[in-house]
Amino acid sequence: EVHLVESGGGLVQPGGSLRLSCAASGFPFSSYWMTWVRQAPGKGLEWVANIKLDGTEIYYVDSVKGRFTISRNNAETSLYLHMNSLRADDTAVYYCARDRPGASLDYWGQGTLVTVSS
Amino acid sequence: DIVMTQSPDSLALSLGERATINCKSSQSVLSSSNNQNYLSWYQHKPGQPPKLLIYWASARESGVPDRFSGSGSGTEFTLTISSLQAEDVAVYYCQQYYAIPWTFGQGTKVEIK
Repeated sequence: EVHLVESGGGLVQPGGSLRLSCAASGFPFSSYWMTWVRQAPGKGLEWVANIKLDGTEIYYVDSVKGRFTISRNNAETSLYLHMNSLRADDTAVYYCARDRPGASLDYWGQGTLVTVSS
Repeated sequence: DIVMTQSPDSLALSLGERATINCKSSQSVLSSSNNQNYLSWYQHKPGQPPKLLIYWASARESGVPDRFSGSGSGTEFTLTISSLQAEDVAVYYCQQYYAIPWTFGQGTKVEIK
């Protein structure tokens, strides 16, 4: 059974940094693109970033370029999101999701809440 | 960026009624290479992660009840719930995965009248 478990969320001050992790199990992790999606309080879903099987292709939404870094460790079947220069509008629940070719996001974790506030 | 616009923003129907949610993209999400629409639909309930219902605009994900169906092509798409059940109360999102950045519609909230 596919499992995705996010961790690392919490309260951080504006300008601070945080690293989110997503532990994957139940599928061949190195065979799938992986994605981060977020949902700000009371708002809709926003795609944040994704990363190719081997990490050689990476894409970001414009609002996080230069501040966030997505990475993965296939040996540890883990996905990461390094977030720097955090702003109040980065406050959201962050989900990791598996990208099945042709089907978009077929499995999602439960999410981890990031709150950026002084 | 491809802008996804859903309508209506919310709808309230009686149990057993048909629910129709529309999604329009600012440009075509139909691939000429494989004739597939890169459009998916998700169901999102409070406290749960989003759940994939439909991909390629009309392919139902495994385990999804057959009262859910997707249709459309190019720039206009529809999610239909043929007979609304209590457990279908949720926010529904369309999403294009044709071009980076992937983008979602603003969501449609479905409630029971």
